[in-house]
Amino acid sequence: DAGVIQSPRHEVTEMGQEVTLRCKPISGHNSLFWYRQTMMRGLELLIYFNNNVPIDDSGMPEDRFSAKMPNASFSTLKIQPSEPRDSAVYFCASSLAGGDSPLHFGNGTRLTVT
Amino acid sequence: GNSVTQMEGPVTLSEEAFLTINCTYTATGYPSLFWYVQYPGEGLQLLLKATKADDKGSNKGFEATYRKETTSFHLEKGSVQVSDSAVYFCARGDSGGGADGLTFGKGTHLIIQP
Repeated sequence: DAGVIQSPRHEVTEMGQEVTLRCKPISGHNSLFWYRQTMMRGLELLIYFNNNVPIDDSGMPEDRFSAKMPNASFSTLKIQPSEPRDSAVYFCASSLAGGDSPLHFGNGTRLTVT
Repeated sequence: GNSVTQMEGPVTLSEEAFLTINCTYTATGYPSLFWYVQYPGEGLQLLLKATKADDKGSNKGFEATYRKETTSFHLEKGSVQVSDSAVYFCARGDSGGGADGLTFGKGTHLIIQP
């Protein structure tokens, strides 16, 4: 089991540029989550999908953020245009929906916007 | 809404000391309760869980008991090691226990000194 795979591990970009973060969930998991972690705000849920369908995107900070899940094995989180305050570690996690299935997290993408 | 409150960190202890990290949750419904651990440079991983009142979750020497009367789920370990240094997150799930509705605390940074 390769676990949840995120890429890239680190991203440094200039303000105004488009950033795309990628995630491959664990095979067979049907729920996928995007989180953002900062020192100030801790761990924040941005959006989650069940069976590739976005269920709750109330955590997405603004229209500059968008997420897609075109199939069960791939998801992207896009920021366009990026701003310095978007600097954070972004985590993807997957699970089996319902029951007591735990979340499995990737190792995160550390985004720095200068 | 649902919330989880953890003690502020960092918590600094000497090796072999007794550890307690406090966690309380809002009492809405009958949530499942979780502790996750985040080692440096990694994503969160499940440490232990409890799904109903008076259940005790345990793993790697850590324990936590689901106390409905005090709405608490404090994490304890009898003798900590340097390798336990990490950030610990308490979380509550929805009544169904699924990952869809996990609410995380802000995390407690634990530092164990040799």
